[in-house]
Amino acid sequence: GENVEQHPSTLSVQEGDSAVIKCTYSDSASNYFPWYKQELGKGPQLIIDIRSNVGEKKDQRIAVTLNKTAKHFSLHITETQPEDSAVYFCAALGGGFKTIFGAGTRLFVKA
Amino acid sequence: NAGVMQNPRHLVRRRGQEARLRCSPMKGHSHVYWYRQLPEEGLKFMVYLQKENIIDESGMPKERFSAEFPKEGPSILRIQQVVRGDSAAYFCASSPQAENTEAFFGQGTRLTVV
Repeated sequence: GENVEQHPSTLSVQEGDSAVIKCTYSDSASNYFPWYKQELGKGPQLIIDIRSNVGEKKDQRIAVTLNKTAKHFSLHITETQPEDSAVYFCAALGGGFKTIFGAGTRLFVKA
Repeated sequence: NAGVMQNPRHLVRRRGQEARLRCSPMKGHSHVYWYRQLPEEGLKFMVYLQKENIIDESGMPKERFSAEFPKEGPSILRIQQVVRGDSAAYFCASSPQAENTEAFFGQGTRLTVV
């Protein structure tokens, strides 16, 4: 069935450094790839997304890249801040109408 | 425009009781999804509903679990005869259409079975 692999499971960076989270997906029909940020005790919040007709998208300190041939997509956070500390989930949505999530990356930004 | 509303936020049930979780989607959204999240884990798809229809329930256990999204009122996730392993956070998400669009999540219901 559909599967999304996410790495690393935990990431610790110094404030101001960049953080990169990588995901791979199995369903070649997937055409929409959102990224969610989940803070403790809260629901996931959409932070950025990318569609299959685009290779890269940027929103201030956050960027996503997509390689459809390799079925890879990545989240890049530059100039990290302590408030970026959270769990980040990648996801893929294809023809099955259900969003498949990665297992999550716990990001720690040390001040 | 209020976001996705879930209630209750916390629910404690004894083994064997029933749990009812409610989800009111965002205004104008007719697609609802339920996910389960175990501690320190990701979100697992359970069921996808449109008004009065279950579209995909492939992630929902065949026994004890049911979901509905009536014409009027919130979507309900119902767990009968709860067991300790049902303890988890249950999240609802809604979207205005099914394909190629973002889903917005509620704050979740944390179910604890004692």
